[in-house]
Amino acid sequence: ETGVTQSPTHLIKTRGQQVTLRCSSQSGHNTVSWYQQALGQGPQFIFQYYREEENGRGNFPPRFSGLQFPNYSSELNVNALELDDSALYLCASSALAGGVTGELFFGEGSRLTVL
Amino acid sequence: GNSVTQMEGPVTLSEEAFLTINCTYTATGYPSLFWYVQYPGEGLQLLLKATKADDKGSNKGFEATYRKETTSFHLEKGSVQVSDSAVYFCALINQAGTALIFGKGTTLSVSS
Repeated sequence: ETGVTQSPTHLIKTRGQQVTLRCSSQSGHNTVSWYQQALGQGPQFIFQYYREEENGRGNFPPRFSGLQFPNYSSELNVNALELDDSALYLCASSALAGGVTGELFFGEGSRLTVL
Repeated sequence: GNSVTQMEGPVTLSEEAFLTINCTYTATGYPSLFWYVQYPGEGLQLLLKATKADDKGSNKGFEATYRKETTSFHLEKGSVQVSDSAVYFCALINQAGTALIFGKGTTLSVSS
């Protein structure tokens, strides 16, 4: 059973640039969520995707957007990067149809540094 | 909305000491409660959960009881090991049922 994999693991961007982060969900999982974890903080929910559509969103501006593909993999896109976007971005998958009542399986994250 | 508050760390203990990490919550209704753990260099993983009041979650010697009277879900372990050194997060489900809301995390360091 393949776990959640994310790429890239580390990247550095400059303010104003755009970034795309990728996630492959665990085999058989149809729901993917993205979280932002700033240094010393707990993860904060960005959004969730189910059946290739956004199924819930946290308190993040529209420049944070995502996609889910037919194979359930997902992308997180962030436009017009700001310094405060520097964080660890976590992808999580679950087998529940668009909800969270069971266990979330997290990847190791993509660490983004914005200079 | 739902929220969770956990004690700030770091918590530094000697091997075989007793551990308590406090977690309190504010919620509409009685959402499921979770403890997640983040070991160095690894992704977050579920440690234990409780789905209703008075439930006790347990795993790897860790326990936490869902107490609605005190709105708490404290994590305990009777005898910690060096391998328990990690960051621990208390979490609950948001009102929409689409996401977990996490506390800020508590870093535990156990020395031999």
